Amino acid sequence: GQNIDQPTEMTATEGAIVQINCTYQTSGFNGLFWYQQHAGEAPTFLSYNVLDGLEEKGRFSSFLSRSKGYSYLLLKELQMKDSASYHCAVTKNTDKLIFGTGTRLQVFP
Amino acid sequence: DADVTQTPRNRITKTGKRIMLECSQTKGHDRMYWYRQDPGLGLQLIYYSFDVKDINKGEISDGYSVSRQAQAKFSLSLESAIPNQTALYFCATQEGVGSPLHFGNGTRLTVT
Repeated sequence: GQNIDQPTEMTATEGAIVQINCTYQTSGFNGLFWYQQHAGEAPTFLSYNVLDGLEEKGRFSSFLSRSKGYSYLLLKELQMKDSASYHCAVTKNTDKLIFGTGTRLQVFP
Repeated sequence: DADVTQTPRNRITKTGKRIMLECSQTKGHDRMYWYRQDPGLGLQLIYYSFDVKDINKGEISDGYSVSRQAQAKFSLSLESAIPNQTALYFCATQEGVGSPLHFGNGTRLTVT
């Protein structure tokens, strides 16, 4: 099976740093995506990790540990517009993309 | 123009009706997906297709069917709609393994 777990909700303050965790259990793991979704809109691509380590893209970074079945998305210098849902999604072998439960992040002034 | 177009954007239908949601893309991608999203929850995979002759069930295919009419078109049907199929439905395309999904704007379906 493919259990993919994320916290349901998180809150943070504007200007702060927040880390959203994702744990997964899947055989034949072949990469992990992070997507951002604002309310009522389609998800948009943030990052892709296939090897262990940290990938940095501006204020957003994503980390992967394949041996631990663990990833996190790190958001720095939070802005109000970062209030959204964040989804991790796992690819198994060359097969389908399965999403986690999603984390709703609220950023307060 | 949107690369992945879903029609209709909103639909209200009655229990027992057959309904089709359509998705078309201009990205030239072979891989296409249908996902369902319930309020406050993640995306659940309904069906996916890796080329015109390839159709695969996802996590929640019961009550749904699909048709891949061409590389550019992937339709989702609800043979006999029921209220718990009320949800936001997304179509997505993907160029290949490791490539990001490109989502349509979604179809909001309400079954009364």
